[in-house]
Amino acid sequence: DIQMTQSPSTLSASVGDRVTITCRASQSINSWLAWYQQKPGEPPKVLIHTASELESGVPSRFSGSGSATEFTLTISSLQPDDFATYYCQHYHSYPYTFGPGTKVDIK
Amino acid sequence: EVRLVQSGAEVKKAGESLTISCQASGYSFTSYWITWVRQMPGKGLEWVGRIDPSDSYTVYSPSLQGHVTISVDRSITTAYLQWSSLKASDSAMYYCARHEFGTGWANYWGQGTLVTVSS
Repeated sequence: DIQMTQSPSTLSASVGDRVTITCRASQSINSWLAWYQQKPGEPPKVLIHTASELESGVPSRFSGSGSATEFTLTISSLQPDDFATYYCQHYHSYPYTFGPGTKVDIK
Repeated sequence: EVRLVQSGAEVKKAGESLTISCQASGYSFTSYWITWVRQMPGKGLEWVGRIDPSDSYTVYSPSLQGHVTISVDRSITTAYLQWSSLKASDSAMYYCARHEFGTGWANYWGQGTLVTVSS
């Protein structure tokens, strides 16, 4: 199975900050990676797919980059609605594993 | 409008059987895979498995294979996640989700079904 790691596990930031989350895969997954946002009590919401493609309706302050084994999710200017937990997930081969998550909280 | 509506919360005892459901509407049910995702209390997301509703071809996480069964009823556009013998460790929120066509990522999610299993 492909293992996914994320760093940091928790990130404290202020509104307006630029935030970067890193996701690493244990082997190459090409660009078969998605990023999800989850708020307490809600299902996940896809932000980015195919490593860098912004899902329709997602604000342009979110962006994704990377390929093979290293990927990043960047929020260019953190907004109050962005305090949440973020997960990466590969879909290169089964099982489609998720990373452990990065919680973005208020500094 | 694409909608996935899941069945309500369940409270069961270890050893009991359970089936939870995910009713889809607003799209061609047989054209998009359905995935199940587990989230244990206070923990992260875990991929359970996925089914192709057109032919019921199913792939499971190795860690859950043999313990859960994913199925569909095309006549009522509903997907199911089933246990024949629950464990306390099955206590979690379970989400169904619809994949984007021909891809591995999910862009529509159900509201979740909370399963609580007492030992």
